[in-house]
Amino acid sequence: QLRLLESGPGLMKPSETLSLTCTVSGGSFSETHYYWAWIRQAPGKGLEWLGSCYYSGNTYYNPSLKSRVTISVDTSKNQISLNLKSVTAAETAVYYCARHEGVVFDFWGQGTLVTVSS
Amino acid sequence: SSELTQDPAVSVALGQTVRLTCQGDSLRSNYASWYQQKPGRAPVLVIYGKNNRPSGIPDRFSGSTSGDTTSLTITGAQAEDEADYYCNSRDSTGDIFVFGTGTKVTVL
Repeated sequence: QLRLLESGPGLMKPSETLSLTCTVSGGSFSETHYYWAWIRQAPGKGLEWLGSCYYSGNTYYNPSLKSRVTISVDTSKNQISLNLKSVTAAETAVYYCARHEGVVFDFWGQGTLVTVSS
Repeated sequence: SSELTQDPAVSVALGQTVRLTCQGDSLRSNYASWYQQKPGRAPVLVIYGKNNRPSGIPDRFSGSTSGDTTSLTITGAQAEDEADYYCNSRDSTGDIFVFGTGTKVTVL
C-alpha cells in the first residue's frame, strides 16, 4: 500500500522560508501518469492546492502563490519537497502531500501542521 | 477564492438519502472528484470520473454531473458518513486545480 509521510518544522516565524518533505513508500515513485502535489488547509478552512510535480521534475504551481513556491523531487530518496518563501501567519495550516492523476487525488499523507507565529 | 461552490452544511436522517452539489463553470468540460474528510484526518477519495468508486468505498456513494453541477449522493446515510465533503476539479483555464468550498454533512 502506498504511503506518504510529510515532515517539517512545526513552528516558524513570519518571513521565514517553509521547507517540507514528503517521503513516499510502498509503491513506485516514478510510475508514469502520476503527479505529486502539495495541498494545505488552514484551521477550520477548506483545501488549497499549492502545486504539483512529476517525477521527471516538471512542475506547475497555483498562480496565487506567485514566485514564492518551489516544488522539487528527489527520485533517489522517493521524496517531494516544498519550499514556500516569506510565510505569514495566515499560512498557518496543515500541509498535505498527495498523489494524483488529473483531478483524482487518490493517496494522501497524514498531513503536518505548520504554525507561523512571532 | 474557489471557483467551485458547495452548500456549507446539510443534514440527513440516518438511513435516508442526501445529495451534495458542487457548481462551477469549469465542470462543463472537466470531471470532478469528491473527498470525505473527518476531523483531524486527511481527505479520502470517494468518487472520481463519471461515477467511479475507489476500492473500499461503499456503494451507497455515487456521483453524477449535469451541466455546470456535479453531485455526490449518499443513499442510506450511515453515522460514519458524518464528515466534511469536498469536490475538486480544474479551474476555468484548465491550468490549476481547485477545491470546492466544502459541505459539512450531519447525520441525525
